[in-house]
Amino acid sequence: QSALTQPASASGSPGQSITISCTGTSSDVGSYNYVCWYQQHPGKAPKLMIYDVRNRPSGVSNRFSGSKSGSTASLTISGLQAEDEADYYCSSYTSSSTWVFGGGTKLTVL
Amino acid sequence: QVQLQQWGAGLLKPPETLSLTCAVYGGSFSGYYWSWIRQPPGKGLEWIGEINHSGSTNYNPSLKSRVTISGDTSNNQFSLKMSSVTAADTAVYYCARGLYYCSTGSCSMKLDYWGQGTLVTVSS
Repeated sequence: QSALTQPASASGSPGQSITISCTGTSSDVGSYNYVCWYQQHPGKAPKLMIYDVRNRPSGVSNRFSGSKSGSTASLTISGLQAEDEADYYCSSYTSSSTWVFGGGTKLTVL
Repeated sequence: QVQLQQWGAGLLKPPETLSLTCAVYGGSFSGYYWSWIRQPPGKGLEWIGEINHSGSTNYNPSLKSRVTISGDTSNNQFSLKMSSVTAADTAVYYCARGLYYCSTGSCSMKLDYWGQGTLVTVSS
């Protein structure tokens, strides 16, 4: 299985909005609404931010939102804050009953 | 509050076998899938495989020949064994809980709780 495709980096100023894309295939993102987004700060375990394309776990800020069109999912962070600076990974369930992750996007808050 | 606590040998020589265990506290072992994921230094996440409470497993095809995931329901633990390790297997290994369910016509799947991670270094 091939990794999902994410941009290596993204950046924005405090208060701005940014969107990170995640492109898969018809065997994963294109066929399932089981897309998750994880936030990872240096030296920490990943934290679930979005599941099932657009749902937020309890406790996650509503500044984080998810969407999907075809085989591309997106994570949007509005009102950027300094603490949002982290690596972000998308993942999708696949037709092989496995999970596949994206390569990760390093978000810099300028 | 669900917590996953993991442990195992942190330094291995090729071609030894990697062995890690993850214990589940504060929640049930039944009704969930339990995954292993790894992250090489400075790189992205790679899903290794999963097991459910009944012992049913799924593996990443690229690692399947070397990986075995087993469960111990009596102790709320699950384990990862990876044979014939090389330097390419050097990574932080995470365990995670998979919550998969369907209700009233919709389904949900997510890896919602993660262990703290264990750095495994393979070096001769």
